[in-house]
Amino acid sequence: SQQGEEDPQALSIQEGENATMNCSYKTSINNLQWYRQNSGRGLVHLILIRSNEREKHSGRLRVTLDTSKKSSSLLITASRAADTASYFCATERGGADGLTFGKGTHLIIQP
Amino acid sequence: DGGITQSPKYLFRKEGQNVTLSCEQNLNHDAMYWYRQDPGQGLRLIYYSQIVNDFQKGDIAEGYSVSREKKESFPLTVTSAQKNPTAFYLCASTPIWGSAGELFFGEGSRLTVL
Repeated sequence: SQQGEEDPQALSIQEGENATMNCSYKTSINNLQWYRQNSGRGLVHLILIRSNEREKHSGRLRVTLDTSKKSSSLLITASRAADTASYFCATERGGADGLTFGKGTHLIIQP
Repeated sequence: DGGITQSPKYLFRKEGQNVTLSCEQNLNHDAMYWYRQDPGQGLRLIYYSQIVNDFQKGDIAEGYSVSREKKESFPLTVTSAQKNPTAFYLCASTPIWGSAGELFFGEGSRLTVL
């Protein structure tokens, strides 16, 4: 079962621009996480935001969480070609069996 | 360096053959997971293990089997009963079962059935 759904499915921007990706989910959560996946590689954890937090920053990343709308956004500022990757949001499955991942947003940064 | 090692990175299999994918971690994590990823799709949970000698089915366990004889190791066998095994397989771990915290992933194994 998939809890989170990212939007858009694909995004292409110029280097230096900001990239925004959104995630919607269906049931209540304790936290929401964002992961990055380079082509053919494993996923790498970027940031975790708890349900009682509204915004969190990590370097060029800014994550917001709106529990009333059951949505989150990931903003990457001053994008670089190396940011080209797929980005996934993930929520807990309602038990102890790991996380549920969306289908991801494929981000392409044009040099 | 601590981390999760998956092997092999690429694997080709003929129809009707069983194959085993290795996953080893030296992070001293309790919980381990196997996910399957198809092109353009998210990750789907195959099996997970909270502790040694215990494992549970995920959403798509049919045609797969696992074992957890050691804390460090969680191999996945793709059996001939799996109808469409060609996919990218990802192993992950987390320090404490049920913590809903960060997952640490291996680099994946790509299985192709010829």
